Amino acid sequence: DAKTTQPNSMESNEEEPVHLPCNHSTISGTDYIHWYRQLPSQGPEYVIHGLTSNVNNRMASLAIAEDRKSSTLILHRATLRDAAVYYCILRALNQGGKLIFGQGTELSVKP
Amino acid sequence: DSGVTQTPKHLITATGQRVTLRCSPRSGDLSVYWYQQSLDQGLQFLIQYYNGEERAKGNILERFSAQQFPDLHSELNLSSLELGDSALYFCASSGRGAGVSEQFFGPGTRLTVL
Repeated sequence: DAKTTQPNSMESNEEEPVHLPCNHSTISGTDYIHWYRQLPSQGPEYVIHGLTSNVNNRMASLAIAEDRKSSTLILHRATLRDAAVYYCILRALNQGGKLIFGQGTELSVKP
Repeated sequence: DSGVTQTPKHLITATGQRVTLRCSPRSGDLSVYWYQQSLDQGLQFLIQYYNGEERAKGNILERFSAQQFPDLHSELNLSSLELGDSALYFCASSGRGAGVSEQFFGPGTRLTVL
């Protein structure tokens, strides 16, 4: 399974944008980039995913580098409720859908 | 609310015992996944079922087994429990296109082995 590297922790101020980086230098052509987050005392929650092009949804944006070796999850205006552990995960079409979680980035949001 | 339900919420038992964790996927989802989250190992994939058949296996111990029933609910059986099995156990489900579609996680079952 291709690996991802994320900073252990990041801090943000409320109502400011947050850019969460992820490196995945060994990504293969069929790997999708997925982001999940886990709020305190809850199960993980899907955030966004993409293959090559940048993606936007109501929760966040995903910016994917041209060589696909890195990506950035963007929260446009952080709220206190966004404090969570964010996981960047690579999923291949042929690996049956399982998620291989790394350590993730613990995001704290200051009021 | 993800639509995935797990019972029980908490379970306290003794070493050597056997327990069963239950998961009901979202309506219409054919795939069920089980994950274990412990402080030292993080979130680990255990096993996946798709429409009643085992699809993928991860770091699941031989003492653990799972199945998916015709109504698509799933059970994870943990036997000969050890202290190290204390963890949060999550179930997730996803739709027909299980390859890259999002997974919806339940609230988890917290297992404490004393």
